[in-house]
Amino acid sequence: NAGVMQNPRHLVRRRGQEARLRCSPMKGHSHVYWYRQLPEEGLKFMVYLQKENIIDESGMPKERFSAEFPKEGPSILRIQQVVRGDSAAYFCASSPVGQETQYFGPGTRLLVL
Amino acid sequence: DQQVKQNSPSLSVQEGRISILNCDYTNSMFDYFLWYKKYPAEGPTFLISISSIKDKNEDGRFTVFLNKSAKHLSLHIVPSQPGDSAVYFCAASEGGGADGLTFGKGTHLIIQP
Repeated sequence: NAGVMQNPRHLVRRRGQEARLRCSPMKGHSHVYWYRQLPEEGLKFMVYLQKENIIDESGMPKERFSAEFPKEGPSILRIQQVVRGDSAAYFCASSPVGQETQYFGPGTRLLVL
Repeated sequence: DQQVKQNSPSLSVQEGRISILNCDYTNSMFDYFLWYKKYPAEGPTFLISISSIKDKNEDGRFTVFLNKSAKHLSLHIVPSQPGDSAVYFCAASEGGGADGLTFGKGTHLIIQP
């Protein structure tokens, strides 16, 4: 019974490169959420997606960040032209329809050099 | 403007005693509350939740209390065990279906042998 899976677990990028973070929700879960955690901070909501739809992206930075959850395959959080301030832990969570409890993956630690 | 506040960055409790973690919120639209436990380099693990129609929910050693008039909730762990040493996050949702969670900054619980 696999939980939420995220890869890679660690990602190093140089300034200006692109970062792609992948998330596979738990089996049977159709809702995916992305959060970012900066050092010594709580998790901050970024975006909520269902299959092929962005439901709420109120927490996403307006530029360089995008997310998708295609009909087939994992959800992708894409960060273009990364800057040092993007260094953080990025967590994905999933939930089934009609349930408010979100279950989290292990996270991707992004380091921008 | 922090809508969910955990005012104690850390808490030290002796093994076998009760641990009480506190959380305050300001948004009166929140109607679902969750506690997560997090170890370093791992994702948050769901512990227990409570809906605003209740004032108490219990699951084994974990009990969550909700005081809506004070906009305050607490997590009680009894008896505390060494494996409970972790960072505990309080989170809240406005409900009405799935929603992005708003997190506090966390409390680092240390269980002393």
